[in-house]
Amino acid sequence: GAGVSQSPSNKVTEKGKDVELRCDPISGHTALYWYRQSLGQGLEFLIYFQGNSAPDKSGLPSDRFSAERTGGSVSTLTIQRTQQEDSAVYLCASSLSLNTIYFGEGSWLTVV
Amino acid sequence: AQSVSQHNHHVILSEAASLELGCNYSYGGTVNLFWYVQYPGQHLQLLLKYFSGDPLVKGIKGFEAEFIKSKFSFNLRKPSVQWSDTAEYFCAVNIPGYSTLTFGKGTMLLVSP
Repeated sequence: GAGVSQSPSNKVTEKGKDVELRCDPISGHTALYWYRQSLGQGLEFLIYFQGNSAPDKSGLPSDRFSAERTGGSVSTLTIQRTQQEDSAVYLCASSLSLNTIYFGEGSWLTVV
Repeated sequence: AQSVSQHNHHVILSEAASLELGCNYSYGGTVNLFWYVQYPGQHLQLLLKYFSGDPLVKGIKGFEAEFIKSKFSFNLRKPSVQWSDTAEYFCAVNIPGYSTLTFGKGTMLLVSP
């Protein structure tokens, strides 16, 4: 596609359930990033992929969070046993280099 | 760990007013600097960036930013704002050799017509 595609765009889940968020980066982009955007908190880095490997996963807030990337393309961010504080917009971005990072429109997660 | 500070969380201006949004970072070495904008209901997009060279950087839509190394600052400016500039603006910093950006908490700009 023309841009970074994320799904679902909106997800409401019950506390304790697992959720999966998907990111389809721009074709050919080797770098892929996950960020979390919370109200008043700006963008919080979660994890960075180069190809299928994750050289930097320092931002994952707990072991309930994991992510994978397959085929150097699609990435999935999984949150297990969701908590209310996980409610946020989860942004995916991709790039060839830091010169220009392209962001998706995000997945808005609400944990009730 | 590096940090990025954006001093104003909310700014309200009338059309044609001049804009300056502050951004300061904490890292003492060489940095790459960015401003991103998020219009209502849209995704983040790059406004401008500084890697090296002329510290006065011009971006899209009439925005510019000045890198002042001695002040660890990269303030965003626009001489005359328009209603369509209403958006949230994020400053971001990268340390060369690292592949991630550290963002500030953002400044919400509201321009009244």
